[in-house]
Amino acid sequence: KAGVTQTPRYLIKTRGQQVTLSCSPISGHRSVSWYQQTPGQGLQFLFEYFSETQRNKGNFPGRFSGRQFSNSRSEMNVSTLELGDSALYLCASSLERSYEQYFGPGTRLTVT
Amino acid sequence: KQEVTQIPAALSVPEGENLVLNCSFTDSAIYNLQWFRQDPGKGLTSLLLIQSSQREQTSGRLNASLDKSSGRSTLYIAASQPGDSATYLCAVYNAGNMLTFGGGTRLMVKP
Repeated sequence: KAGVTQTPRYLIKTRGQQVTLSCSPISGHRSVSWYQQTPGQGLQFLFEYFSETQRNKGNFPGRFSGRQFSNSRSEMNVSTLELGDSALYLCASSLERSYEQYFGPGTRLTVT
Repeated sequence: KQEVTQIPAALSVPEGENLVLNCSFTDSAIYNLQWFRQDPGKGLTSLLLIQSSQREQTSGRLNASLDKSSGRSTLYIAASQPGDSATYLCAVYNAGNMLTFGGGTRLMVKP
C-alpha cells in the first residue's frame, strides 16, 4: 500500500505570494492533519480534516487555510507569505480520528 | 495546554551501548503516545505507538514504556548502531486527533 504523498517536495516563493501544498493520504484513510516544523518552534499542529470538514485548528493566523476533497486528498494554502513561513510542512493521515498517524515526506517551503 | 518535554536534547554514544530517551508530558489525559524517528530533512517514521491502556510496546531492539499517572514515557534502544543516528520525537495524542510533539532528542551513534 502506498504511503502518504506530498507535492511538491520543494518550493521557493517570494514574500507576499501565496502557495498551495497537496497531500494524498494512504488509501482508505479519512483523517488528514497538517503540521509545520521549524528549527525554532519545532513541530506544531496546523489543522485536521475528516470527511471534508475541518475538525480542529491550531494556533495559526487566518492566512493558513486548508480543505479536504471527497477522495480524502487535502490541500493547504498560505496567503501573503512571510519570511517566518519558511518551514517543512508535514501531512499525516489516519484511518479514523485518534488512530495511528502516518506521515508523508513533507514539503520544504522557502520564502525569500 | 499539553506540553511535552524530551531529555536529553542531544546524545552521543559509542556503538553498542544501550540507551534511554525520556519524554514527559503535563496532562495525563492522553489517548495514545507515539515515538517517531526523523532523519535530516526527511519526514517522520513511526517507531512505536502505545495506546493509553498499554504499559509498553516492543519492536526489535526498541522498547517504549508509558506511565500515564506520572506523565512519562521512555524509549529504550538496545545495542545501538550508527544507523540509529537520527532525531527521536515523542508525541502525545490529545482530544481532537491533535498530536503535541516534544522538542526531540538528537542521537549520534559513533562507530
